[in-house]
Amino acid sequence: AQSVSQHNHHVILSEAASLELGCNYSYGGTVNLFWYVQYPGQHLQLLLKYFSGDPLVKGIKGFEAEFIKSKFSFNLRKPSVQWSDTAEYFCAASPSGTYKYIFGTGTRLKVLA
Amino acid sequence: ETGVTQSPTHLIKTRGQQVTLRCSSQSGHNTVSWYQQALGQGPQFIFQYYREEENGRGNFPPRFSGLQFPNYSSELNVNALELDDSALYLCASSDIDMAEAFFGQGTRLTVV
Repeated sequence: AQSVSQHNHHVILSEAASLELGCNYSYGGTVNLFWYVQYPGQHLQLLLKYFSGDPLVKGIKGFEAEFIKSKFSFNLRKPSVQWSDTAEYFCAASPSGTYKYIFGTGTRLKVLA
Repeated sequence: ETGVTQSPTHLIKTRGQQVTLRCSSQSGHNTVSWYQQALGQGPQFIFQYYREEENGRGNFPPRFSGLQFPNYSSELNVNALELDDSALYLCASSDIDMAEAFFGQGTRLTVV
């Protein structure tokens, strides 16, 4: 079955620390990949997406993600987190030609000031 | 602000009752998808509507049904509510290519 795994459920970092959140998907074909963020009390917002081309994707607010096809991974990174990055982060996959997103269970990030 | 609005924001229903949730999609989008997000889980795909027709369905029973109207707004109906239906229900608006989905803030349904 198609699925998305996020290995870190809760992450606590101090400001200025580097961040890497893991995401793996299980699907052998072409897949579009996304990271969404949900700030406290707000709706899900798109951080970045990968469809094709350069496997290193840059998104908003200094986030980036790298697609590694051989590892079925799409990890999210940020060199230096800020207190305002405290949120829940969701990785999602959309197998090409389908009409749905498959979400991971999410990672709650808390950044300490 | 995404332009996707959902109503109501919170709802409490009794087991066995029926509920209708509503979603107004973002201007220019012809596709609406519904997701269920249980506590501590990621959103799970319920179904999608494209130009008023169901365009795909996740692993949800038939008591979950929907409609899309000519203005592309949408309803999610759930019959015979069960306790496990308690969740946040999210509506997502997009073009059919799903290049980017815009989510509403959701409706928090509690079944008691």
